[in-house]
Amino acid sequence: EAGVAQSPRYKIIEKRQSVAFWCNPISGHATLYWYQQILGQGPKLLIQFQNNGVVDDSQLPKDRFSAERLKGVDSTLKIQPAKLEDSAVYLCASSPPGIAGARDFGPGTRLTVT
Amino acid sequence: GIQVEQSPPDLILQEGANSTLRCNFSDSVNNLQWFHQNPWGQLINLFYIPSGTKQNGRLSATTVATERYSLLYISSSQTTDSGVYFCAVVHSNYQLIWGAGTKLIIKP
Repeated sequence: EAGVAQSPRYKIIEKRQSVAFWCNPISGHATLYWYQQILGQGPKLLIQFQNNGVVDDSQLPKDRFSAERLKGVDSTLKIQPAKLEDSAVYLCASSPPGIAGARDFGPGTRLTVT
Repeated sequence: GIQVEQSPPDLILQEGANSTLRCNFSDSVNNLQWFHQNPWGQLINLFYIPSGTKQNGRLSATTVATERYSLLYISSSQTTDSGVYFCAVVHSNYQLIWGAGTKLIIKP
């Protein structure tokens, strides 16, 4: 079984620029999550999708962050414009039916904003 | 909201040693997971264990839901076991609530 795929793995941008991350979950996993992890801290949930619908985006900074999962499979997370404090690892995760909470995580995208 | 506390925060061991990591939570949970985050940042699910005991090779976990704690045992530690171990629980809103992690360093 292929794992959760993410790209790019690393990205360096200047503040006020925009950036997009892509995630392809494990086949058959209807639930998809985007997390932000700042160095030394646990992951923080940004948004959760069930198929192509949003379940929870209460911690997503909607003035600059957006996410979509148009066909209920892969997903993109965008930041526009980026701030210095957005430097973090962005993790995508998915879970099969019957599992409460994110279970399978991708390798992450390490974003540096200069 | 529910509190998740992990101990110890840091642990340094020699290769071959055994260790026990603890996770305490302040309310009943629907799910509890243990994760290992390796030095390259990859988060690996170790156990999905809302109650009972599970074993996978040198690792085992026990959750006593009635007493609101879980233990992760690592036997015969290897350098590849180094990293941060997170406990995460699911409470009423079906989101993972994360502990602060235990940073484990295994010296050769």
